[in-house]
Amino acid sequence: SQELEQSPQSLIVQEGKNLTINCTSSKTLYGLYWYKQKYGEGLIFLMMLQKGGEEKSHEKITAKLDEKKQQSSLHITASQPSHAGIYLCGADPRPEGAQKLVFGQGTRLTINP
Amino acid sequence: DGGITQSPKYLFRKEGQNVTLSCEQNLNHDAMYWYRQDPGQGLRLIYYSQIVNDFQKGDIAEGYSVSREKKESFPLTVTSAQKNPTAFYLCASSLSGLRNTEAFFGQGTRLTVV
Repeated sequence: SQELEQSPQSLIVQEGKNLTINCTSSKTLYGLYWYKQKYGEGLIFLMMLQKGGEEKSHEKITAKLDEKKQQSSLHITASQPSHAGIYLCGADPRPEGAQKLVFGQGTRLTINP
Repeated sequence: DGGITQSPKYLFRKEGQNVTLSCEQNLNHDAMYWYRQDPGQGLRLIYYSQIVNDFQKGDIAEGYSVSREKKESFPLTVTSAQKNPTAFYLCASSLSGLRNTEAFFGQGTRLTVV
């Protein structure tokens, strides 16, 4: 079955520092999604990547999908306390048919002032 | 305001009882989903529905049931057959059940079996 591995599982950074979260699959991904979750709450959609080599940015967050469409990274520049939370990658592992997202286990991000 | 609403936020159930979690959306989305999240783990798909009156099992459907009688509603029943029901349950919807449309999530229901 499709599995998504996120690394690191937990990350503590000083406010103002840059950081990167990775999401890796052994199989091709058809649609890669990044979400953010506050503990005990729902998921907030951040970005969706579809094409190999695609890169998207929103404010200080940049997401990339590699050419093989097996790995994605989420990069935060000049981190702020508002960036703290759990980041989850989700992906559709099938080339067609109904969308059935599978998710990584999440990366818990803590920002120290 | 458009959105997806789950209720209740917290739910306690005695062992052996069935319980139903509510999920309503006013986004006019065709597709709806139920996920389960356990501590330190990602989300696992329980059931999904692409259109009204149709739904499909996800990866962990055993012990759960759903209905989709209205476009805006997708309730999930956790039955007594579910051996480990204590978890955080998330409902989501997307414009269509086709790929590459982002899903919008509710705020979740935390179910505890006592």
